[in-house]
Amino acid sequence: EAQVTQNPRYLITVTGKKLTVTCSQNMNHEYMSWYRQDPGLGLRQIYYSMNVEVTDKGDVPEGYKVSRKEKRNFPLILESPSPNQTSLYFCASSYFGGSYGDEQFFGPGTRLTVL
Amino acid sequence: KNEVEQSPQNLTAQEGEFITINCSYSVGISALHWLQQHPGGGIVSLFMLSSGKKKHGRLIATINIQEKHSSLHITASHPRDSAVYICAVNPSLLNRDDKIIFGKGTRLHILP
Repeated sequence: EAQVTQNPRYLITVTGKKLTVTCSQNMNHEYMSWYRQDPGLGLRQIYYSMNVEVTDKGDVPEGYKVSRKEKRNFPLILESPSPNQTSLYFCASSYFGGSYGDEQFFGPGTRLTVL
Repeated sequence: KNEVEQSPQNLTAQEGEFITINCSYSVGISALHWLQQHPGGGIVSLFMLSSGKKKHGRLIATINIQEKHSSLHITASHPRDSAVYICAVNPSLLNRDDKIIFGKGTRLHILP
């Protein structure tokens, strides 16, 4: 089944404890992206990747890192989480992205709480 | 001012009513997306448009590139259509920006 998977789905952690949210897609998509969703602010792009080893900042990259060593995986790393990173996170992928435009497939979301 | 504006923010209607959700944008685009998010969080892509009109079941999406405006219509609405509908755009190649820009969503509640 074609899908985007994220793990964990729910995470409660404490300030400063490094964490990684994994994202994997099995559709051979080139474009992958991370978003956060907050009440009243909607979806905001954190980082995106047009292809392997190519990553770029979105609108809210501060406090996050990403890597794209393989086409299928695009982990989101919070080196020192803070309470303002409490949010619902989505990973998404598409064949092409950015200015080329393509249907995006979203993961199920990760609800993160930082105490 | 947001580059992608949706209206209304919230909409409550009776089952069977014809629903229209609007999206206006201020940048040049290569594509516009309509997404649906049900309570519980999952997001699915409904349509991707670069011109004209698309139809899928009871859902119709239209776009007017000159006016920078798109609409999502739902005919014969049903309580299962209750969700947040999100408009998103891919900026055009001329903008030299690969970020995707989202509207803040329209929360739709269909009463039985």
